[in-house]
Amino acid sequence: GAGVSQSPRYKVAKRGQDVALRCDPISGHVSLFWYQQALGQGPEFLTYFQNEAQLDKSGLPSDRFFAERPEGSVSTLKIQRTQQEDSAVYLCASSAGTSGRALYNEQFFGPGTRLTVL
Amino acid sequence: DQQVKQNSPSLSVQEGRISILNCDYTNSMFDYFLWYKKYPAEGPTFLISISSIKDKNEDGRFTVFLNKSAKHLSLHIVPSQPGDSAVYFCAANAGNMLTFGGGTRLMVKP
Repeated sequence: GAGVSQSPRYKVAKRGQDVALRCDPISGHVSLFWYQQALGQGPEFLTYFQNEAQLDKSGLPSDRFFAERPEGSVSTLKIQRTQQEDSAVYLCASSAGTSGRALYNEQFFGPGTRLTVL
Repeated sequence: DQQVKQNSPSLSVQEGRISILNCDYTNSMFDYFLWYKKYPAEGPTFLISISSIKDKNEDGRFTVFLNKSAKHLSLHIVPSQPGDSAVYFCAANAGNMLTFGGGTRLMVKP
């Protein structure tokens, strides 16, 4: 398909387990974002990549969260030693823009991965 | 501390009438504002935006109004259609970051 895809769509993890969430952006999109959306709330920024460079990771809630985009395309968000408070929908978005208004006007979101930590 | 707030968690409107969704912000550094629409099990979809140098932007049935002095923006949908039923998020931009409100669920009744 032509949109942003994420896998898995649903993930149930036991507390303490490590998880890896994958994002396939739209082909050719330079910018990639990860967001965390808790139940009943809006998405919260986690991190931002431009190609393979992680330009901003100020939103990552702890050092248990790690994101990478080694070849400037597919990205993986890894959460180590998951906790119950990590339960949320994790959204990935990509954009052809690199700055200014184009960065967000052309931002396309994936369907998200719903993570449930028991 | 929520910098972007949508104080109405839900709104119900009759088909054909106007829907008005509101959003307040606190950070005066925000200079660009966006509205997103989200259906269940899908990611948010960009709807309309407005720069802080404007007070109104219109696109078909959708109009966004910005009142900078009140730090308030609103989305007007007219006429409302059943297919508009979704969760609407406002978002504000400063630098490379988007800050989202908590969302308002709009239900348009036929």
